[in-house]
Amino acid sequence: QSVLTQPPSVSGAPGQRVTISCTGSSSDIGGGYDIHWYQHLPGTAPKLLIYGKNNRPSGVPDRFSGSKSGTSASLAITGLRAEDEADYYCQSYDSNSVLFGGGTKLTVL
Amino acid sequence: EVQVVESGGGLVEPGRSLRLSCTGSGFIFGDYAMSWFRQAPGKGLEWVGFIRSKPYGGSTTYAASVNGRFAISRDDSKPIGYLQMNSLSSEDSAVYYCGRGVSGSGYYFDSWGLGTLVTVSS
Repeated sequence: QSVLTQPPSVSGAPGQRVTISCTGSSSDIGGGYDIHWYQHLPGTAPKLLIYGKNNRPSGVPDRFSGSKSGTSASLAITGLRAEDEADYYCQSYDSNSVLFGGGTKLTVL
Repeated sequence: EVQVVESGGGLVEPGRSLRLSCTGSGFIFGDYAMSWFRQAPGKGLEWVGFIRSKPYGGSTTYAASVNGRFAISRDDSKPIGYLQMNSLSSEDSAVYYCGRGVSGSGYYFDSWGLGTLVTVSS
């Protein structure tokens, strides 16, 4: 069982906005560590989407944004597109361990 | 272009060992941490362990599920990172990924490979 909790699935229609939550604890997210987000399509390399305090690597559109409050974080995707259909993972850090959420499958209806 | 490429996967019998490699290109390998991850069939991403860069001590840290059986090392001159896996069981069957680690508030991983498949079976 993952230390960071994500919903197993979310869905939305093209053009809509969806959010994916990531809940941790006072020792990881609440302990001041940043949350990072990854997109993973089957058979491909996982891709860093958001790092640190809502930073996007070059090439990631500004439709993707991250936020954090207390022991929780969220990834928001606006203007949903068919190509956004993938698995999304949150990641943090705690006492020398890298922590992942269990992953959320985004379905574009 | 920053790139990491995994190799060395394959079919191995339970109880045996296997060594995976992660070759970096397009960046100064020794300036970054390197981490290993895996994804078992139907499961999510799991962190396996990482090795810090030499400026940060070059130390290693492992997930509890592999601690004592797996060992990560690096040769910055090649530049290649390694994952030595011993006493393998069927639960270790997965696609194994390596990733370039960036130190900040903890670590994040900004470049990943396509993975290499490890199947543990008799």
